[in-house]
Amino acid sequence: GAVVSQHPSWVICKSGTSVKIECRSLDFQATTMFWYRQFPKQSLMLMATSNEGSKATYEQGVEKDKFLINHASLTLSTLTVTSAHPEDSSFYICSATRTGNSPLHFGNGTRLTVT
Amino acid sequence: DAKTTQPPSMDCAEGRAANLPCNHSTISGNEYVYWYRQIHSQGPQYIIHGLKNNETNEMASLIITEDRKSSTLILPHATLRDTAVYYCIVRGSNTGNQFYFGTGTSLTVIP
Repeated sequence: GAVVSQHPSWVICKSGTSVKIECRSLDFQATTMFWYRQFPKQSLMLMATSNEGSKATYEQGVEKDKFLINHASLTLSTLTVTSAHPEDSSFYICSATRTGNSPLHFGNGTRLTVT
Repeated sequence: DAKTTQPPSMDCAEGRAANLPCNHSTISGNEYVYWYRQIHSQGPQYIIHGLKNNETNEMASLIITEDRKSSTLILPHATLRDTAVYYCIVRGSNTGNQFYFGTGTSLTVIP
């Protein structure tokens, strides 16, 4: 159990366009979802936390107008990278958890390349 | 911010136990210790977590010291497929219930 599906697994887009990444919890209701970004040979960096039905909480230094997060239901969160630039190229990973001290379960990530 | 310290890399012979240490000296009473691993270009995989008692599941064992300031993840019989980066994470109300990743330990299992 506890499967998180992330789509797409990779995407290439042109500079200036927007890209949406979906994260779904397939077999459980996720009260909280987290979005991470990972650059090559680095650790995961938390970008934002989203709770169903409320606004996302962004980590310091993450632009909320650039990385739009929507957590519309207990099984779906989306991250939209708006007006993407080459420096936004990265590996984006979502995760989801039930309540309390349940562990996070991660999607398989989305490789974004902005040309 | 991450509250854990791990060695950057370790080697382990195939078939032997891999013991991965983690220091979390500032852990507070309600914070859990979680272990994950990440194989290249994949999302992290949950391994095990615990509060103060030792834990064991089909993947690994987690040994937490009595003062809870450190822990060890044990892979009892390492295989080549266990080669990955292993992350130890402390999470609780003092970290805003967030999962902050540190730099992890890159484990290489040697044939």
